[in-house]
Amino acid sequence: GNSVTQMEGPVTLSEEAFLTINCTYTATGYPSLFWYVQYPGEGLQLLLKATKADDKGSNKGFEATYRKETTSFHLEKGSVQVSDSAVYFCALSTTGTASKLTFGTGTRLQVTL
Amino acid sequence: DVKVTQSSRYLVKRTGEKVFLECVQDMDHENMFWYRQDPGLGLRLIYFSYDVKMKEKGDIPEGYSVSREKKERFSLILESASTNQTSMYLCAISPGPSNTGELFFGEGSRLTVL
Repeated sequence: GNSVTQMEGPVTLSEEAFLTINCTYTATGYPSLFWYVQYPGEGLQLLLKATKADDKGSNKGFEATYRKETTSFHLEKGSVQVSDSAVYFCALSTTGTASKLTFGTGTRLQVTL
Repeated sequence: DVKVTQSSRYLVKRTGEKVFLECVQDMDHENMFWYRQDPGLGLRLIYFSYDVKMKEKGDIPEGYSVSREKKERFSLILESASTNQTSMYLCAISPGPSNTGELFFGEGSRLTVL
């Protein structure tokens, strides 16, 4: 079956530090990959996505590259801000499952001044 | 903008009570989902629905049922609440039929069962 593994948090960084949150997956077929973000007190919202190998998704300074050879989709940002403090979820969907997503366990990021 | 509204942000219920969680969308989207979110476990799919009166089990349907009588409303029902159902419940919709994998979530309903 499908599964997503994320690094455990919390991750605590100072403002302007470099961020990496690791995500690896197991899936049948050729999945689409996603990062969702959940800010305090809110539901999840899509941050970025990639639908095929070597695609790079990007949004709000965050990037992730779909690496089929390593089955990974690591999230990176060059300079984090306090406002990036949130929980980040890696997820995948496979063709024909009508947006039925498999999520990782989430990684909490806390950015301090 | 897609809007997904969950009827209650916070609920406190007693063991054995019947609990209804409602989710309403403001567009004509076909696919609706109920997830529960627990620390260390991420999001797990309870049930989903492709259309009115259609439902399919997700990964953890035990102890839950759902109802979709109208396209815009998808209800999650706990017939007899138990303490292990204390959780955050998230409703989501997927604009079909393109099946991009993108979900739009409500703000969540935090249920405590005493």
